[in-house]
Amino acid sequence: GAGVSQSPSNKVTEKGKDVELRCDPISGHTALYWYRQSLGQGLEFLIYFQGNSAPDKSGLPSDRFSAERTGGSVSTLTIQRTQQEDSAVYLCASSLEQGSNEKLFFGSGTQLSVL
Amino acid sequence: DAKTTQPPSMDCAEGRAANLPCNHSTISGNEYVYWYRQIHSQGPQYIIHGLKNNETNEMASLIITEDRKSSTLILPHATLRDTAVYYCIVRVMTSGSRLTFGEGTQLTVNP
Repeated sequence: GAGVSQSPSNKVTEKGKDVELRCDPISGHTALYWYRQSLGQGLEFLIYFQGNSAPDKSGLPSDRFSAERTGGSVSTLTIQRTQQEDSAVYLCASSLEQGSNEKLFFGSGTQLSVL
Repeated sequence: DAKTTQPPSMDCAEGRAANLPCNHSTISGNEYVYWYRQIHSQGPQYIIHGLKNNETNEMASLIITEDRKSSTLILPHATLRDTAVYYCIVRVMTSGSRLTFGEGTQLTVNP
């Protein structure tokens, strides 16, 4: 596909379990972002990857959250010991252009429900 | 990034122009105005952006006031599929600066 792909589209887990969310960016896009969106809320920035630079992790809400990007392509967001407040849609975006012309392309997100 | 203010909701008749305002009175000289929209259950979609000149593309037009303290996104002929939350974002033009999404405007296009 030509767009950003996220999997799974839906994930239901029990409180205390670990989850992994996957993002396949558009081929060739060097920048990758993770956001999350709680029900009825705006988007909250989590983490940003750009090429081989150190990621900007300043938006991660706690040390239970981590993300990696292997080979400059696929990214995995991991949430350990999930809590009910982690329930949200987790959105991934990638971009090619940098600076003022940067346009983010978003996936459809992973709906995470923590019971 | 400068804070933006948008009305929480607007209605528009199908086929008419939708004019969505955004106030960004504290915008800096190196900050661009970006518009994204989010249709229900989808990820946000880029619409348009500009610095100080008016911009137009296949989706919309962006009108930025001369003092750059406000802007208007114009959908010239709104359709039902344009019903979405529209986000106005101001952002510095350096690489890696995050998009900070506010509450946006819920535009409802009515038949």
